[in-house]
Amino acid sequence: KAGVTQTPRYLIKTRGQQVTLSCSPISGHRSVSWYQQTPGQGLQFLFEYFSETQRNKGNFPGRFSGRQFSNSRSEMNVSTLELGDSALYLCASSQDRSHSYEQYFGPGTRLTVT
Amino acid sequence: AQTVTQSQPEMSVQEAETVTLSCTYDTSESDYYLFWYKQPPSRQMILVIRQEAYKQQNATENRFSVNFQKAAKSFSLKISDSQLGDAAMYFCAYRSAVEGGGADGLTFGKGTHLIIQP
Repeated sequence: KAGVTQTPRYLIKTRGQQVTLSCSPISGHRSVSWYQQTPGQGLQFLFEYFSETQRNKGNFPGRFSGRQFSNSRSEMNVSTLELGDSALYLCASSQDRSHSYEQYFGPGTRLTVT
Repeated sequence: AQTVTQSQPEMSVQEAETVTLSCTYDTSESDYYLFWYKQPPSRQMILVIRQEAYKQQNATENRFSVNFQKAAKSFSLKISDSQLGDAAMYFCAYRSAVEGGGADGLTFGKGTHLIIQP
């Protein structure tokens, strides 16, 4: 079974621009979560989607948004980029409670904002 | 909100020896899951082991085992017969088991950098 894939792997943007990151979960997984990883703040939860519905949202400003499609693929969008948005963005998929919410991560998208 | 604390920023162990990574957490919930993830230099997060809070038996996966002390809210990871490939950042993580809960998704500790000395 193919793992979680994320595109693009690397991205360089300028302050004020917007960006869209994509995540394809493991086949059969209906839940997708997004995390931001920075040296200062560590790993922080952004949001979680299940069957196209946002189930949970972390403590991030409204500039961060996401969505999930009927095939479980997910996108996250960051508008009006700031320098502090430079981070590794990780996507994780899971089947749900029946599998103890085990989350399997993609390789991440490294976003650099200049 | 739940918190996860890893008090050891860095640990070093000789190849083939055993090392234990510490993790404590704070929660008012009784039903939850705990995980250890490994992040090598490639940055790919890899699930190492999981523990359901309702299970008293400690989880084991090959050379990896945990010591889960629910009352003490402690969840340590023991790596036996350490190998060079075990070198990585190790993160302890918590997830609520409340259906539709897990409002914080996975809550991670700050990580422990494990160095394997050949």
